[in-house]
Amino acid sequence: QQQVKQSPQSLIVQKGGISIINCAYENTAFDYFPWYQQFPGKGPALLIAIRPDVSEKKEGRFTISFNKSAKQFSLHIMDSQPGDSATYFCAARRSGNTPLVFGKGTRLSVIA
Amino acid sequence: DVKVTQSSRYLVKRTGEKVFLECVQDMDHENMFWYRQDPGLGLRLIYFSYDVKMKEKGDIPEGYSVSREKKERFSLILESASTNQTSMYLCASSFRPQGYGYTFGSGTRLTVV
Repeated sequence: QQQVKQSPQSLIVQKGGISIINCAYENTAFDYFPWYQQFPGKGPALLIAIRPDVSEKKEGRFTISFNKSAKQFSLHIMDSQPGDSATYFCAARRSGNTPLVFGKGTRLSVIA
Repeated sequence: DVKVTQSSRYLVKRTGEKVFLECVQDMDHENMFWYRQDPGLGLRLIYFSYDVKMKEKGDIPEGYSVSREKKERFSLILESASTNQTSMYLCASSFRPQGYGYTFGSGTRLTVV
C-alpha cells in the first residue's frame, strides 16, 4: 500500500499566488519529512525538510506545515514564480536504518 | 561540487538483453539507492545498499539485481530486459543515517524495444 499519499497530482498557479501541496501518512514511526524538487531532465533535489517536533519550518518562500495529530504535512510556496514550475515530491522516513518513501509527486505549473 | 553520476543519459536496449546501469558518487556516502520513476507512480525503490557488498531489496526488486564492489559505485542490472522495464532510473546516495540529504543523479532513461 502507498505509505505517503500526495495531492494534487497536478497544480496550476498564477504568478504571485500561493502553491499548496499536501501529503498524508499512516505510519506513526515516521520521524523525518523532506520535500524534493525536480526540474525536467534533472534528478530530484532536497528542498526543505521537517521533523515532527515542530509544526512549521520556513526557508525563504517555502514553508512546511506539519500536523502530527492529523498525520499530514504540506508544502506552501509563497509568491510562486514561473521558475518554481517543477515536480515536487514529499517523502518520509521511519526511524532506524530505512530508506525514504516517496509520494507520487505533484507537477506544478506557475503561469504568468 | 558533489555529484552522483549515472553513466548513460539515454539507453535503448532489446528485449532479453542484459542491461547494466552504472552509478558513481564522489561524496564518500555509505548509502546508495536505485529508484525508478514512472508517470503517476512517483519514485519506487528497487534496491539499496548500506555498505560495500551489502544490498537490500526495495519495493520492486523483481527482474533486477545490483552490485556494489566499491563504496563509490552501485550498479543496477536488468537480467533480461523486458518492455515493462522501460522507465527513468534514478540513482541516489546519502550519508548514514538514512534519509538525510539524498543526492540524486540526473537519471537514465531506458527504453526496451
